[in-house]
Amino acid sequence: DTAVSQTPKYLVTQMGNDKSIKCEQNLGHDTMYWYKQDSKKFLKIMFSYNNKELIINETVPNRFSPKSPDKAHLNLHINSLELGDSAVYFCASSQPNTGELFFGEGSRLTVL
Amino acid sequence: QKEVEQNSGPLSVPEGAIASLNCTYSDRGSQSFFWYRQYSGKSPELIMSIYSNGDKEDGRFTAQLNKASQYVSLLIRDSQPSDSATYLCAASQTGANNLFFGTGTRLTVIP
Repeated sequence: DTAVSQTPKYLVTQMGNDKSIKCEQNLGHDTMYWYKQDSKKFLKIMFSYNNKELIINETVPNRFSPKSPDKAHLNLHINSLELGDSAVYFCASSQPNTGELFFGEGSRLTVL
Repeated sequence: QKEVEQNSGPLSVPEGAIASLNCTYSDRGSQSFFWYRQYSGKSPELIMSIYSNGDKEDGRFTAQLNKASQYVSLLIRDSQPSDSATYLCAASQTGANNLFFGTGTRLTVIP
């Protein structure tokens, strides 16, 4: 039974389109995250939610809008996609205030 | 941005040797440190955490922390081909919910 699951695993789309990625965790964790990993493998935090509340927004363009309907789910919607948005997006979860993150399998976004 | 720096490698070691991976960090407020392993095309997975100065051993892995020098390392003894992966160093402040990662070091263990 997958602990942190993301869908879809692959997205290929044109510039200017809108796309969403969904994430669910069944670990009972209170904190969820979105990380972006670029082609050079640099993993950078985008957002963090604790029990449905946004606690971290790391200078991400407002084209990116996270939403957490409950503490087990964290979705990411991206408007007006740009070439530079191409990356692997990882969802993760943890208990609060720990660095012990459990990652989903990643969603590879390619913007053409 | 709280910087965490690693040598990107690649680092190649023969099977059975000790692999040494290094990491420095710039934020003196960082208190918690982690090593994640990421196989190609997979997600990162936590392999070690360290919070206090000194060494912490777990099987073939030893993490070392020196807060005065702002330096963290990971030693892998008796390296195996299955250890071939990218190793990501990460740091966070106590009580913080964000983790800052280095760019990772790619390790190849040659049979």
